[in-house]
Amino acid sequence: EAQVTQNPRYLITVTGKKLTVTCSQNMNHEYMSWYRQDPGLGLRQIYYSMNVEVTDKGDVPEGYKVSRKEKRNFPLILESPSPNQTSLYFCASGYVRNYEQYFGPGTRLTVT
Amino acid sequence: AQSVAQPEDQVNVAEGNPLTVKCTYSVSGNPYLFWYVQYPNRGLQFLLKYITGDNLVKGSYGFEAEFNKSQTSFHLKKPSALVSDSALYFCAARRAAGNKLTFGGGTRVLVKP
Repeated sequence: EAQVTQNPRYLITVTGKKLTVTCSQNMNHEYMSWYRQDPGLGLRQIYYSMNVEVTDKGDVPEGYKVSRKEKRNFPLILESPSPNQTSLYFCASGYVRNYEQYFGPGTRLTVT
Repeated sequence: AQSVAQPEDQVNVAEGNPLTVKCTYSVSGNPYLFWYVQYPNRGLQFLLKYITGDNLVKGSYGFEAEFNKSQTSFHLKKPSALVSDSALYFCAARRAAGNKLTFGGGTRVLVKP
């Protein structure tokens, strides 16, 4: 089954404790992206990647890191999480030539 | 900077009536425009897109959207709404020559039986 998977789906952590949210897709998509969803703000793009070893900042990259060492994986790293990073996070992927994106089920992160 | 506005937080419509969800955008150059739908506790699902060509775009589940360049709008429409269309709808835009995708704030649609 074609899908985008994210782990964990739910995470409660404390300020300053490094964490990684994994994202994997099995559709051989070149493009992958991370978004955060906050009430009233819609989705905001954090980082995106056009292909392996090619990443770029979205609109809200501060406090996040990403890497794209393999085509199927695009982990999101929070080196020192803060409470303002409490949010619902979505990973998405797609073909560069097709423009539409396929979204994962989301990861709800709470930082206390 | 590019932006997308969805002026209505919520739209209420009776089942069987036409449904319209509004979207306006600000993108330099030619825009690529998208609609996504989010059902409760789910990720977003792609509905339709405008890249080029006919201004009226047809998508999944009977939805369509009309690109209006002069009004910088891309409103989503469905001729006859179903209760199952109740969800959160997002409009998104990007520059044709760019890679960043900007979403609107979302519009919650409630279709009443």
